[in-house]
Amino acid sequence: DQQVKQNSPSLSVQEGRISILNCDYTNSMFDYFLWYKKYPAEGPTFLISISSIKDKNEDGRFTVFLNKSAKHLSLHIVPSQPGDSAVYFCAASDSNAGNMLTFGGGTRLMVKP
Amino acid sequence: DVKVTQSSRYLVKRTGEKVFLECVQDMDHENMFWYRQDPGLGLRLIYFSYDVKMKEKGDIPEGYSVSREKKERFSLILESASTNQTSMYLCASSSQGARRNEQFFGPGTRLTVL
Repeated sequence: DQQVKQNSPSLSVQEGRISILNCDYTNSMFDYFLWYKKYPAEGPTFLISISSIKDKNEDGRFTVFLNKSAKHLSLHIVPSQPGDSAVYFCAASDSNAGNMLTFGGGTRLMVKP
Repeated sequence: DVKVTQSSRYLVKRTGEKVFLECVQDMDHENMFWYRQDPGLGLRLIYFSYDVKMKEKGDIPEGYSVSREKKERFSLILESASTNQTSMYLCASSSQGARRNEQFFGPGTRLTVL
């Protein structure tokens, strides 16, 4: 059973609007969460992360929100740009169990001009 | 800038062939990982290594083995390739330090087994 789930396989947004990508997890031992972005024919690149001691982390147009009680995190992109079109993966880690990441299935974001 | 390189971008092999996928990183990272990416399943961990000559099984090690003879190099071996091993293979590395959760990925190798 997948411990990290991204229930929306795709999302389409108009340029300039907000994109919200969601991720749910089941393992309460996860204490660090990351978002990766992947373009076709390239490897994933790190985007933003959040520790479980925080509920929000912001980096420019990207903000990640963490709701520990709901075991839910979301990535907000404001404003969305066509260059943001990619597959986004959320990942989670249990820092006490080594350096492994558990990834969700990914959400394909399409930002229309 | 961290650089992770993979020996091939595309590979086509036949069922039963032995396949070697090579990965090299240039940032002196202790940790190295092999994943496969399949649609809807995200990235699934095959094997990882914390140090030279050390290896640990990930979530889906069956049908694969690995080798880490040098710190910068981590090889994935398919002993006898099968069609269900057709996939995108991604190598990653990370340090043991404060940012150990941030993994840096190579461009991937798309393997097709006929």
